[in-house]
Amino acid sequence: QSALTQPRSVSGSPGQSVTISCTGTSSDVGGYNYVSWYQHHPGKAPKVMIYDVSKRPSGVPDRFSGSKSGNTASLTISGLQAEDEADYYCCSYAGSYTWVFGGGTKLTVL
Amino acid sequence: EVQLVESGGGLVQPGGSLRLSCAASGFTFSTYWMHWVRQAPGKGLVWVSQINPDGSSTSYADSVKGRFTISRDNAKNTLYLQMNSLSAEDTAVYYCARDGGSYYEDYWGQGTLVTVSS
Repeated sequence: QSALTQPRSVSGSPGQSVTISCTGTSSDVGGYNYVSWYQHHPGKAPKVMIYDVSKRPSGVPDRFSGSKSGNTASLTISGLQAEDEADYYCCSYAGSYTWVFGGGTKLTVL
Repeated sequence: EVQLVESGGGLVQPGGSLRLSCAASGFTFSTYWMHWVRQAPGKGLVWVSQINPDGSSTSYADSVKGRFTISRDNAKNTLYLQMNSLSAEDTAVYYCARDGGSYYEDYWGQGTLVTVSS
């Protein structure tokens, strides 16, 4: 149950696009199409942005998109806005009804 | 409106025990899988435990297995986490979360802080 690997930080200017990677193994990310992404503003409840690798819950802007290739999943945020500044976490099902999160990525909107 | 409200956090000495509660409302609690997730100060989210709708199946992260017990009371719409043999490494904000039906958490509470210190 080792944490998935995410970059500690990414940044971009308003209007630009950023991509956050999430690398696991064939036992988690690569083995299941159950990767989800969460936006977390400190002091608030985390919010799901993507589930099942690329599905968006209702209410999440289509500026947020997800994908996966092999053992690495990615979250892309296009048309960056100031309110996108937050911590982002990936999470993958890891079999036997266990889950593993990534270490988190701090997104800074310059 | 789906609401999850955690309670029961506080200061506990190393080796002590604590029981967290999560009161659910706004949905049919008895039909959803539920999770506990924690976040240590300055650290990332860590999945802790999950339970199926009728409470007959549970699973745990290796770091808490044998010390923590997840349970639920569907009549009271409440999820629990019994935490025993606590150590400083268990200091964290503990969140309860609802499973969205496809191996992800779709609603989260605001969390309750557990501090293990002498």
